[in-house]
Amino acid sequence: NAGVTQTPKFQVLKTGQSMTLQCAQDMNHEYMSWYRQDPGMGLRLIHYSVGAGITDQGEVPNGYNVSRSTTEDFPLRLLSAAPSQTSVYFCASSYRDRGYYGYTFGSGTRLTVV
Amino acid sequence: KNEVEQSPQNLTAQEGEFITINCSYSVGISALHWLQQHPGGGIVSLFMLSSGKKKHGRLIATINIQEKHSSLHITASHPRDSAVYICAVRPNSGGSNYKLTFGKGTLLTVNP
Repeated sequence: NAGVTQTPKFQVLKTGQSMTLQCAQDMNHEYMSWYRQDPGMGLRLIHYSVGAGITDQGEVPNGYNVSRSTTEDFPLRLLSAAPSQTSVYFCASSYRDRGYYGYTFGSGTRLTVV
Repeated sequence: KNEVEQSPQNLTAQEGEFITINCSYSVGISALHWLQQHPGGGIVSLFMLSSGKKKHGRLIATINIQEKHSSLHITASHPRDSAVYICAVRPNSGGSNYKLTFGKGTLLTVNP
């Protein structure tokens, strides 16, 4: 049981390049989300999905796209990278346990845009 | 103003000390989570609380719903406890019940 797998772990991009951060979970969790973590700030929600085929915007969605074609995968696309998108990105999946929601996080992707 | 406030922001302790990290929030919640993040590492869920107290090994988490406050205690602290501890709440307000609001974290350093 691998949990939540994020790839790559590290990435350097040039301004204007595009790329996809991968996130996969093997726990059959219905809810998945992407967060960014910046120094001095709490994690902020970028996009989330409550099930295959359903996605919605979070707090800081600009410059990012997502899709959820399967329960397992929730990739995050940077359309045209900007230095302001330098951050650590975490993917999380969520499950319901007796009416409460538990969360499992990936190990993070450290992205630098130069 | 952040809906979730943690204190202190930084905490340095000697091995063996009892440690308390506090979390206050301003909205009604259905659950509160304590998370741990080691330097350069991923995020691990420690506790999910909706009332009372939970214990796991040397870690104890408490919550007072009426006062909108939670504490994370570490007994007999060890250098391997050095990490950022993050408080996150799941608000009761309308919309998706999955969303979390995070505090900025408390950086704990335990010296040998």
